[in-house]
Amino acid sequence: SQKIEQNSEALNIQEGKTATLTCNYTNYSPAYLQWYRQDPGRGPVFLLLIRENEKEKRKERLKVTFDTTLKQSLFHITASQPADSATYLCALGSNAGNMLTFGGGTRLMVKT
Amino acid sequence: DGGITQSPKYLFRKEGQNVTLSCEQNLNHDAMYWYRQDPGQGLRLIYYSQIVNDFQKGDIAEGYSVSREKKESFPLTVTSAQKNPTAFYLCASSNHGQIGNTIYFGEGSWLTVV
Repeated sequence: SQKIEQNSEALNIQEGKTATLTCNYTNYSPAYLQWYRQDPGRGPVFLLLIRENEKEKRKERLKVTFDTTLKQSLFHITASQPADSATYLCALGSNAGNMLTFGGGTRLMVKT
Repeated sequence: DGGITQSPKYLFRKEGQNVTLSCEQNLNHDAMYWYRQDPGQGLRLIYYSQIVNDFQKGDIAEGYSVSREKKESFPLTVTSAQKNPTAFYLCASSNHGQIGNTIYFGEGSWLTVV
């Protein structure tokens, strides 16, 4: 069955450092991958989309990579700030049916 | 402002009761979804609808029911058959024809069984 794995342990980093979050998947051939941010008690908010034929995508301080051979996506936040503290979810989608499957999310804590 | 409105934000259900969570969107999206999120876990799909008067079961549909009589509305009923309904419920919508299917979420509803 399809499986998406994100590190369930919280990631604690110092302000100003680069945060790197991992999303691994098995038994899946996604056409695209998305990253969402979720604050406590709120709905997730879309951040970035990367397609299977793209290696890297950037948006301001955010960078996403997508390696379909390793079946892995990395999500980077450079120059991290305490305001970046949240849970980050990856989601995979296929062109068939256009449905998303979400990972369990990784909580990021940026400390001053 | 365009967006998705869920209500109520907090809801308490007694054993054996059915409760309905409201979801309204003014984004003119064709597709709407209901997800359940348990503490520290990811989102699990309950039901989705890609067009008015049509909906499909997701991964955990048992004990839930939906309707899609209007494009902008997709209410979720948590029935007494759902044995463990305490969770955070998220309604979402997307433009079904959009490649990549970015999903827009509401602010969520907390349901607690008392």
